[in-house]
Amino acid sequence: TQLLEQSPQFLSIQEGENLTVYCNSSSVFSSLQWYRQEPGEGPVLLVTVVTGGEVKKLKRLTFQFGDARKDSSLHITAAQTGDTGLYLCAGKGPANAGGTSYGKLTFGQGTILTVHP
Amino acid sequence: DADVTQTPRNRITKTGKRIMLECSQTKGHDRMYWYRQDPGLGLQLIYYSFDVKDINKGEISDGYSVSRQAQAKFSLSLESAIPNQTALYFCATSDFKGNTFFGPGTRLTVL
Repeated sequence: TQLLEQSPQFLSIQEGENLTVYCNSSSVFSSLQWYRQEPGEGPVLLVTVVTGGEVKKLKRLTFQFGDARKDSSLHITAAQTGDTGLYLCAGKGPANAGGTSYGKLTFGQGTILTVHP
Repeated sequence: DADVTQTPRNRITKTGKRIMLECSQTKGHDRMYWYRQDPGLGLQLIYYSFDVKDINKGEISDGYSVSRQAQAKFSLSLESAIPNQTALYFCATSDFKGNTFFGPGTRLTVL
């Protein structure tokens, strides 16, 4: 069973501050995705990282995939109140067809981010 | 129109009742999923289907069943609902790269 440990579970900061959310596992993933979820809605895909060491930027959000493809981080620069929400990481199982984790996503527990004005 | 729709959005039922949650998608994806979300536990996979003839159990399938009526439709049933099945339920689809798209969710309360 593949597990993803996400930290911190809760994060409360002031507008303008920077923050980092971590997603760690002992398992290797073929790719890792980050989602943002607002109350009453389903998670929305933010980014997919595929290559070990890959860094992707989405405006003020920076996503990094670890060299060994076992961990990832999300860094937000100058947080805004609109960034408030639940952030989820999800790892996709190895690409070998027939394996029990093939094609499936394993989710971390989520980080609840609150940005205060 | 939303790519993934779920009905109902909210449901309150009593212990022992049979409940069906329905999901439809217009993205044309073969892969569909049912997830359950509880506070502090992220999303747990209940069942998944990689095509119309393929049904697979996920991490927490006990007490649930599914039916893939067509490429676009995937329903989840609780045969005899119990209170610890109170949760948010999400249907999702994914493309061949694994990019996953979620429905708006169904909030189920079992009394």
